[in-house]
Amino acid sequence: NAGVTQTPKFRILKIGQSMTLQCTQDMNHNYMYWYRQDPGMGLKLIYYSVGAGITDKGEVPNGYNVSRSTTEDFPLRLELAAPSQTSVYFCASRLGTASNTIYFGEGSWLTVV
Amino acid sequence: DAKTTQPNSMESNEEEPVHLPCNHSTISGTDYIHWYRQLPSQGPEYVIHGLTSNVNNRMASLAIAEDRKSSTLILHRATLRDAAVYYCILIINAGGTSYGKLTFGQGTILTVHP
Repeated sequence: NAGVTQTPKFRILKIGQSMTLQCTQDMNHNYMYWYRQDPGMGLKLIYYSVGAGITDKGEVPNGYNVSRSTTEDFPLRLELAAPSQTSVYFCASRLGTASNTIYFGEGSWLTVV
Repeated sequence: DAKTTQPNSMESNEEEPVHLPCNHSTISGTDYIHWYRQLPSQGPEYVIHGLTSNVNNRMASLAIAEDRKSSTLILHRATLRDAAVYYCILIINAGGTSYGKLTFGQGTILTVHP
């Protein structure tokens, strides 16, 4: 199993550009998550999904969109990038029971200039 | 959301035990207590989890209070590689499945001195 795979690892965007962060997991996990982490801060939940076709907002959803058309993929779309979206983004997944481990990707470092 | 409270930071010396506390007074009877850690420039990684009984694995031990309102992650002999941010989170159990939303607090920054 590759686990949770995020691409790209690094990206520089100009203000106003749009991009998609890709996240794929091969563990047949129901739940998937997107977090952002600003320097020296904790993880903030952007969006999450409990299954294909189901998504919901987290703590900081503004400026982002997601979709979950398959169990494996959970892309995060940034529309009209702003400097405030400069951050490290982590994708995570887990099965649906409370005892299941959460698996994280390695992160995507995004800079908006 | 089920809330946890952790100290902002703790320090330890290498090869000494470390006890990282977590308060979760709003925990429900079937919620699981999970611990994750985040090494510098990496994604968080699983450490340990438990429900009621104390748990041990190769990385750490988890001591859960009898009333389950607090828990302690124990690193038996800290090494420099254990320097990380440690997160205590609750995963809410809901009749065989679990609540989807999952938020993290600030965690505890553990500094290990040589």
